[in-house]
Amino acid sequence: EVQLVESGGGLVQPGGSLRLSCAASGFTCSDYWMNWVRQAPGKGLEWVANIKQDENGKYYVGSVKGRFTISRDDAKNSLYLQMNSLRVEDTAVYYCARGGPMRSFDYWGQGTVVTVSS
Amino acid sequence: EIVLTQSPDTLSLSPGERATLSCRASQSVSNYHLAWYQQKPGQAPRLLIYGASSRATGIPDRFSGSGSGTDFTLTISRLEPEDFAVYYCQQYGSSPSTFGGGTKVEIK
Repeated sequence: EVQLVESGGGLVQPGGSLRLSCAASGFTCSDYWMNWVRQAPGKGLEWVANIKQDENGKYYVGSVKGRFTISRDDAKNSLYLQMNSLRVEDTAVYYCARGGPMRSFDYWGQGTVVTVSS
Repeated sequence: EIVLTQSPDTLSLSPGERATLSCRASQSVSNYHLAWYQQKPGQAPRLLIYGASSRATGIPDRFSGSGSGTDFTLTISRLEPEDFAVYYCQQYGSSPSTFGGGTKVEIK
């Protein structure tokens, strides 16, 4: 059974850092595109970043470029999102999602909550 | 960046009725790279449709997707009680991938 479990969220002050983790089971992360998607409170979905199977391709939405870094640990079958210089507007539930057929997002984790506030 | 506009914002219908949701793109979506997701309160989104018209694994056949280019539609042929939720379209043919603002299907 495919499962994605995020962790690492929490309350952080503006300018601070957090590292989100996504532990995958039931499949091998390195065989798929992997994504981070966020949802601000009461708002819609926003794609944040993704990483290609060979790790040579890493892509970000404009608002996080230079601040967030996506990575993967194949030995742990896990995906990460290092978030630096956090802003109030980064407050959201962060989901990891697997790139599925035609690169749609076919499996999602339950999400981890990030709150940026002073 | 491709902007996706969903309409209506809210659809008030009764169980058994047909729901038609629209997703319009600001530019042509390449290679039918358009998906639909369902999200219920407190839950992660669930993939319903990919490639504009292909149902994801385990999705009932009352859900169907159609369209091409800039105009796409999700149809729920007969609403079941568990179908009342928010629906999002997403394009992933051009980077960055973008989502529409969502359509809430509520019980009338």
